[in-house]
Amino acid sequence: GNSVTQMEGPVTLSEEAFLTINCTYTATGYPSLFWYVQYPGEGLQLLLKATKADDKGSNKGFEATYRKETTSFHLEKGSVQVSDSAVYFCAVPLNNAGNMLTFGGGTRLMVKP
Amino acid sequence: DSGVTQTPKHLITATGQRVTLRCSPRSGDLSVYWYQQSLDQGLQFLIQYYNGEERAKGNILERFSAQQFPDLHSELNLSSLELGDSALYFCASSVRQGVSEQYFGPGTRLTVT
Repeated sequence: GNSVTQMEGPVTLSEEAFLTINCTYTATGYPSLFWYVQYPGEGLQLLLKATKADDKGSNKGFEATYRKETTSFHLEKGSVQVSDSAVYFCAVPLNNAGNMLTFGGGTRLMVKP
Repeated sequence: DSGVTQTPKHLITATGQRVTLRCSPRSGDLSVYWYQQSLDQGLQFLIQYYNGEERAKGNILERFSAQQFPDLHSELNLSSLELGDSALYFCASSVRQGVSEQYFGPGTRLTVT
């Protein structure tokens, strides 16, 4: 089945720093790719998605580009805030016949003022 | 707020017991998914229902079962509980079978003592 691998954390940044969280995928074809965010004590929230190669997903200042050449979907933000502190998960459908998701291990981001 | 509700929020029970977790999907969503999040296994897909029928199974133990009712709410039944079943259990929903974008509930934290 499809899978994603993301960088391990924690990632600690100062406020207004640039953020990159790496995610690479292994997939048959070009399934949709997702980033979810989990704030402390909460469930997962869909942050952004890209449905085909070369698509760029964006939301709340975060961006990720679906790059088939490098099989990557890295999450970026130009200027992080303390409120961005959370765990970020990259995800892909487990297979192209269904739509259950398989997730990366999660990357904890801590932003210091 | 994703529109997906889960009850209870917390559950503490003893080994060998049985519990039922409940999920109500977003209005209009026909597909429900259950995931388990634990420190050692990460986020794992358990099972999917679509409009009352089981559609996919993941890493779900035989001691666990689920169902989706005519009003589309779903229940996850966990029996003969073991210490290792302690985890966060998330329900997610999506509008239809072929759509990967899922919306997650806040989760039920199960502690087995």
